[in-house]
Amino acid sequence: EVQLVESGGGLVQPGGSLRLSCVGSGFTFRSYWMHWVRQAPGKGLVWVSRINTDGSSTSYADSVKGRFTISRDNAKNTLYLQMNSLTAEDTALYYCARSPYHFDHWGQGSLVTVSS
Amino acid sequence: QSALTQPASVSGSPGQSITISCTGTSSDVGSYKFVSWYQQHPGKAPKLIIYEGTQRPSGVSNRFSGSKSGNTASLTISGLQAEDEADYYCCSFAGSLYVFGTGTRVTVL
Repeated sequence: EVQLVESGGGLVQPGGSLRLSCVGSGFTFRSYWMHWVRQAPGKGLVWVSRINTDGSSTSYADSVKGRFTISRDNAKNTLYLQMNSLTAEDTALYYCARSPYHFDHWGQGSLVTVSS
Repeated sequence: QSALTQPASVSGSPGQSITISCTGTSSDVGSYKFVSWYQQHPGKAPKLIIYEGTQRPSGVSNRFSGSKSGNTASLTISGLQAEDEADYYCCSFAGSLYVFGTGTRVTVL
């Protein structure tokens, strides 16, 4: 069974940093592109970032470019999202998702709250 | 990276059919076959129900169907059931990026 489990969320002050992790199991992690998608409370889904299979190619939504960094450790079956210079607008449930060109498996999400 | 446009809400009676539209541009929906649809129940993670515009993953009811014409994709739910009450999102590949729709709340009357 494919499983994605996020962790690392929490309460952080504006301007602070946080690193999210997502551990994959039940599939060959290194063979899949991986993504982060977020959902602010009561709002819709927003794509954040993606990374290719070996980590050599990444892309970001304009809203996070220059502040967030996606990475992966295929030896640990783990996806990361380093988030810096956080603002209240980054408050959301952050999902990791597996893809080719569609998101066929999702984690349950990790909640990030940016507040003083 | 503007969100794809979906109606905020759609409703129907049990057994009826409803259609949700998803309007993008020639840079996303109009250029790629990689349009997908997701169902999200309250407090749950999204679930893939349509990929590549018209394909259903294994285990998804054949009451869900997808189509695309130009810059607009559509999701049709036929034989509406109470369990279909949820939020629905479209998503399109857009080159190196992805863009989701604004989301549609489906209510079963």
